[in-house]
Amino acid sequence: DSGVTQTPKHLITATGQRVTLRCSPRSGDLSVYWYQQSLDQGLQFLIQYYNGEERAKGNILERFSAQQFPDLHSELNLSSLELGDSALYFCASSVGAGGLYNEQFFGPGTRLTVL
Amino acid sequence: AQSVTQLDSHVSVSEGTPVLLRCNYSSSYSPSLFWYVQHPNKGLQLLLKYTSAATLVKGINGFEAEFKKSETSFHLTKPSAHMSDAAEYFCVVSDPKAAGNKLTFGGGTRVLVKP
Repeated sequence: DSGVTQTPKHLITATGQRVTLRCSPRSGDLSVYWYQQSLDQGLQFLIQYYNGEERAKGNILERFSAQQFPDLHSELNLSSLELGDSALYFCASSVGAGGLYNEQFFGPGTRLTVL
Repeated sequence: AQSVTQLDSHVSVSEGTPVLLRCNYSSSYSPSLFWYVQHPNKGLQLLLKYTSAATLVKGINGFEAEFKKSETSFHLTKPSAHMSDAAEYFCVVSDPKAAGNKLTFGGGTRVLVKP
């Protein structure tokens, strides 16, 4: 158990809908990261927040947004969902914002199915 | 830009025989390199990391990897495979000097261990 929690574990929804994925980092970690794992794109970095501020951005669609709250938990919002958004979404956390020894710990993931 | 190529999408070994998973990276700086493992329906677990100290890195569960700058490689090995090693393995690169801490994943190598 990495100490990173994600809810829900599974989510099934329809095209055009909006969903929110939630992540709680390990105690003491200030950075939260979101990754998407799909069969065609593999594992891709979406976005990083550090202590409430956006720190780095990857291949995140405009229909997706994220935030990190004062208690350091994070939410990833996915809207106008398409079939291709079906994937496993991972959250990870780390102590700092970057650097040599900034190991990331991954949560168990949320499996999103868009029908 | 950084990238990672895992040279084998699938590797099949017999229990008790050596395992070799090949990884080449491309980076314009001195990268941090990692190997992560993903067991079926589980999150990602860090096996080992290279952060510019010793070029031979020892990880958990008997795995080790050698950083070879001249060959831009970071191959993962284990002397004797166990049934519990059946999983997907990801070679990962990051830039320790970047403002953020984005991880770039290889395509993954799925390991099958035969009894």
